[in-house]
Amino acid sequence: DAGVTQSPTHLIKTRGQQVTLRCSPKSGHDTVSWYQQALGQGPQFIFQYYEEEERQRGNFPDRFSGHQFPNYSSELNVNALLLGDSALYLCASSLGTPYSNQPQHFGDGTRLSIL
Amino acid sequence: KQEVTQIPAALSVPEGENLVLNCSFTDSAIYNLQWFRQDPGKGLTSLLLIQSSQREQTSGRLNASLDKSSGRSTLYIAASQPGDSATYLCAVRRAGNQFYFGTGTSLTVIP
Repeated sequence: DAGVTQSPTHLIKTRGQQVTLRCSPKSGHDTVSWYQQALGQGPQFIFQYYEEEERQRGNFPDRFSGHQFPNYSSELNVNALLLGDSALYLCASSLGTPYSNQPQHFGDGTRLSIL
Repeated sequence: KQEVTQIPAALSVPEGENLVLNCSFTDSAIYNLQWFRQDPGKGLTSLLLIQSSQREQTSGRLNASLDKSSGRSTLYIAASQPGDSATYLCAVRRAGNQFYFGTGTSLTVIP
């Protein structure tokens, strides 16, 4: 039973560029959430997708956008990259609707470095 | 806005010792609280999930308690082992389906 998988594992970009990160949820899971984790900090909630729609959003600018596909996989897009966007980006999936109170399962993340 | 605090930030104990990690949150209107461990450079592994109506959950050597009224949760680890060395994070899920994490407690178990 495959868990949450994320790609790529590492990525280096320069300021002003755009990046796309990908996530495949755990088998059977249909809600996907994205988090940003800066070094030494706890994860910060970016947004959550269910039924191909953004359902909740944290305090992140519009440069951060996402998408969920019919197979429940998801992408996180970040435009006009800033040095402060350097972080570990984590994807989490859970079973059922966003309000089903099920535990979240996390992938190993994508380490994004901005030069 | 919900704030989640974890104390201590770092903890070092000899192997075999029992230990308690603390998590406090400012807004008691939560749906559930989840404890995770994170190994260096890795994602989060779920340890225990406590629903807002529950007082505690147990899994093996781990026991997590929740006191919503006081805004506190503890994670108890019995008979610690070197393999328990990791960062432990708590996360609360509140009304509006927002998720808030603490900054974690870095645990080192010395053989």
